[in-house]
Amino acid sequence: QKEVEQDPGPLSVPEGAIVSLNCTYSNSAFQYFMWYRQYSRKGPELLMYTYSSGNKEDGRFTAQVDKSSKYISLFIRDSQPSDSATYLCASPGGGSSNTGKLIFGQGTTLQVKP
Amino acid sequence: NAGVTQTPKFQVLKTGQSMTLQCAQDMNHNSMYWYRQDPGMGLRLIYYSASEGTTDKGEVPNGYNVSRLNKREFSLRLESAAPSQTSVYFCASSRDRNEKLFFGSGTQLSVL
Repeated sequence: QKEVEQDPGPLSVPEGAIVSLNCTYSNSAFQYFMWYRQYSRKGPELLMYTYSSGNKEDGRFTAQVDKSSKYISLFIRDSQPSDSATYLCASPGGGSSNTGKLIFGQGTTLQVKP
Repeated sequence: NAGVTQTPKFQVLKTGQSMTLQCAQDMNHNSMYWYRQDPGMGLRLIYYSASEGTTDKGEVPNGYNVSRLNKREFSLRLESAAPSQTSVYFCASSRDRNEKLFFGSGTQLSVL
């Protein structure tokens, strides 16, 4: 079992929809999480990061962590065609798993149709 | 503002050939990384360098070697390329371990 898992999709939504992207992680020692966005033929870029439980909001994007269920989510409100990309969740791990290296999920490909 | 620069952007090799992927960052970062990205597998760490003068294996190091030439540059070498090494390779850097990664634009490598 991968330490961070995502459904690869693809996920297709109409413009303006609310999008929910999800990851699960296996180790309860993981303490903070990142979301990266990757456009086609480009390198990933950091979108958001969040510590422990709760929500973090940045414009149309909200990152949420539920440590009790080891579940992390990224919500996109009023989705736009420019949001079409692959979204990767990641964690540096925690406890004995914290080696200073990011552990990535497989990525979820999102398409927002005009 | 260059950030992380990788060369080349595209490369085609024959099985058994060797090549070096170059990476340089201009952000004075301590840590540098090489990842490969394959469909359905996500990003997998090949090697990383936590600081100048150190390198360590990641998840999939077999068939690769690295050199941290100085603080700015981190190269990845394929000594004898195999078709299984066909992939997109990304170099990344971070100020320190556990901090956010900045990625280059990738190298598309095909081994025939």
